[in-house]
Amino acid sequence: NAGVTQTPKFQVLKTGQSMTLQCAQDMNHNSMYWYRQDPGMGLRLIYYSASEGTTDKGEVPNGYNVSRLNKREFSLRLESAAPSQTSVYFCASSGRGLESGTDTQYFGPGTRLTVL
Amino acid sequence: GDSVTQMEGPVTLSEEAFLTINCTYTATGYPSLFWYVQYPGEGLQLLLKATKADDKGSNKGFEATYRKETTSFHLEKGSVQVSDSAVYFCALTLLTGGGNKLTFGTGTQLKVEL
Repeated sequence: NAGVTQTPKFQVLKTGQSMTLQCAQDMNHNSMYWYRQDPGMGLRLIYYSASEGTTDKGEVPNGYNVSRLNKREFSLRLESAAPSQTSVYFCASSGRGLESGTDTQYFGPGTRLTVL
Repeated sequence: GDSVTQMEGPVTLSEEAFLTINCTYTATGYPSLFWYVQYPGEGLQLLLKATKADDKGSNKGFEATYRKETTSFHLEKGSVQVSDSAVYFCALTLLTGGGNKLTFGTGTQLKVEL
């Protein structure tokens, strides 16, 4: 099993450009998440998808959109990138179902994004 | 709202020294508690977890006990190694119908020197 995979690993954008960060998991997990990591601030939740077909805002959703394409894939889109979105982005997944009580999140390796 | 507070770093220790990284939390309800570790240039990995009061999570020589009375989950290791150098994150989650949203502390960087 590959676990959680993310593409690309690195990206440099100019202000105003758009891009999509891809995430996929092969653990048959129901829930998927997008976080950003900034120095001194830990990880902050951008958006999450509790199950296929649903998405909800997290703590810092402004400037982002998401798509839960199917059970495996959850993408994050920046429509018009800004320097404040320079960060490391992590995707995570959890759970085979709410009834399972499984609540550990598994993280991908991250995407390092720089917006000039 | 829910929050996690952990000691600021960096923490610098000599090899074989005793490690404690403090973590306290505020939450409505009864959270599950986690320690995640991030090695340089990598994503986060689960180190250990505890799901109810007085549970002790342990892994790779690290331990943490869920203390409901003090709302704490301090990470300890009796003898650190250079390979333990990383950033450690304390986190909590409340299992709800909306998935398991994790709330993280700001992270504590550990540097272990020979």
